Amino acid sequence: EVQLVETGGGLVQPGKSLKLTCATSGFTFSNAWMDWVRQSPEKQLEWVAQIKDKSNNYATYYAESVKGRFTISRDDSKSSVYLQMNSLKEEDTAIYYCTWGYPYWGQGVMVTVSS
Amino acid sequence: DIVMTQAPLSVSVTPGESASISCRSSKSLLHSNGITYVYWYLQKPGKSPQLLIYRMSNLASGVPDRFSGSGSETDFTLKISRVEAEDVGIYYCGQLLENPWTFGGGTKLELK
Repeated sequence: EVQLVETGGGLVQPGKSLKLTCATSGFTFSNAWMDWVRQSPEKQLEWVAQIKDKSNNYATYYAESVKGRFTISRDDSKSSVYLQMNSLKEEDTAIYYCTWGYPYWGQGVMVTVSS
Repeated sequence: DIVMTQAPLSVSVTPGESASISCRSSKSLLHSNGITYVYWYLQKPGKSPQLLIYRMSNLASGVPDRFSGSGSETDFTLKISRVEAEDVGIYYCGQLLENPWTFGGGTKLELK
C-alpha cells in the first residue's frame, strides 16, 4: 500500500523558516518524481515544487510564488522528500500535501504564517 | 500558466439525481500522443483530494462507475449519475500537461 506521511508543519512568524518532511512507503521511491501541492484557506490548490529522480539528475522545478524561497530535496535512502521553506509570508499559510504523480496524496500538514 | 476554470461554484443535488460539473482550460490539453491530460479529484470534508478520473475519461481504481469524464481539447465535463451522500465534497479539475500543474477553483456539491 502506498503511503505518504507529511510532518513538520506548525505556526511560524513571517520571515522565519520551516522544513517539511514526507516519508513514503509502498513504492520504489528512487524512481519516483515527487511534488508538493498546497491548499490555501480559501481551498484553492496550488502546485509548489517538483523533484525528479536520479536518472533525471534530480532536476527541480518551482512555482513562481515560491522560487528563491523554497527548496525541494530528497533522500532516496530514507524514501523521503523535503520542502525547506525560508522567508515565509502570510500568503504561504496553507495545507501542504506531498504527492506521487497524480493519484497519490498524503494527508497534508498545516503551515500557518502569522505574527 | 494554463488557467483552469470550473463551473458552477456550487451545486445542490437531490440524492438519486445526476449532476454535471464543467471545466475549461485556457490551452488545449491534448498532447501529440493522443492523451488529454485533464484529471478530476474529489475532496471530502477533512480529507486530502482523491483521484476520480485521469486522462479525461479513465475511471480511477475503486471509483464507482456512477462517475464519468468526457470532453474535447479545452472543455471537459464530470458527470455523476445517481448522486449519493458519500459524493458530498469539493470537486476539482486539474491539468498535468505541463508544469506548473494547475487546478480549477473547485465546485462544492451538496445534497438537497
